[in-house]
Amino acid sequence: DQQVKQNSPSLSVQEGRISILNCDYTNSMFDYFLWYKKYPAEGPTFLISISSIKDKNEDGRFTVFLNKSAKHLSLHIVPSQPGDSAVYFCAARTQGAQKLVFGQGTRLTINP
Amino acid sequence: DGGITQSPKYLFRKEGQNVTLSCEQNLNHDAMYWYRQDPGQGLRLIYYSQIVNDFQKGDIAEGYSVSREKKESFPLTVTSAQKNPTAFYLCASSKTQGYEGVNTEAFFGQGTRLTVV
Repeated sequence: DQQVKQNSPSLSVQEGRISILNCDYTNSMFDYFLWYKKYPAEGPTFLISISSIKDKNEDGRFTVFLNKSAKHLSLHIVPSQPGDSAVYFCAARTQGAQKLVFGQGTRLTINP
Repeated sequence: DGGITQSPKYLFRKEGQNVTLSCEQNLNHDAMYWYRQDPGQGLRLIYYSQIVNDFQKGDIAEGYSVSREKKESFPLTVTSAQKNPTAFYLCASSKTQGYEGVNTEAFFGQGTRLTVV
């Protein structure tokens, strides 16, 4: 049972435009959500997170939106840059639990 | 600098052999994790440990074993019982999430690519 789903395996965006990566979840007990960026043959690096008590969190070019009623979150990157080309994973955690549950990842390609 | 180190980066194993992947962290984190990544799939949790001398099975623990004798170290053994061991293995660590709701992210190592030959 895939509790965290990223339904788009890949996304291609032109440099300078907005990239929107989506993530859906099924477990209503999740209360903390994270986005990670991963280059090939490297470990994921943390990008941004959001607690379930918020609906938006912004950090520079990155903004995460959370819609609890729809069990949906999204990551907006604007403006998109070539260095943003990577695989992006969303992850979720329930309160009091240590483990993170990851989605399948979305490969973002920024075209010049 | 503080961080999490996995070694080796590439590892080859013959079928039927056990192999141990190393993971060390100097971030003073209580919690440590092992994930596996296969092509086109997300990260799947193998084992995790919230404190020294204690660990729990993740979603795909069969064929793997771990130990947590020191706070800094969480080695993973891939045994001959693991049917499809070829994969990219990732170790991570984090502060312990408190029940008061303090949330922290997990930090990942650079990964070990294991190939069975």
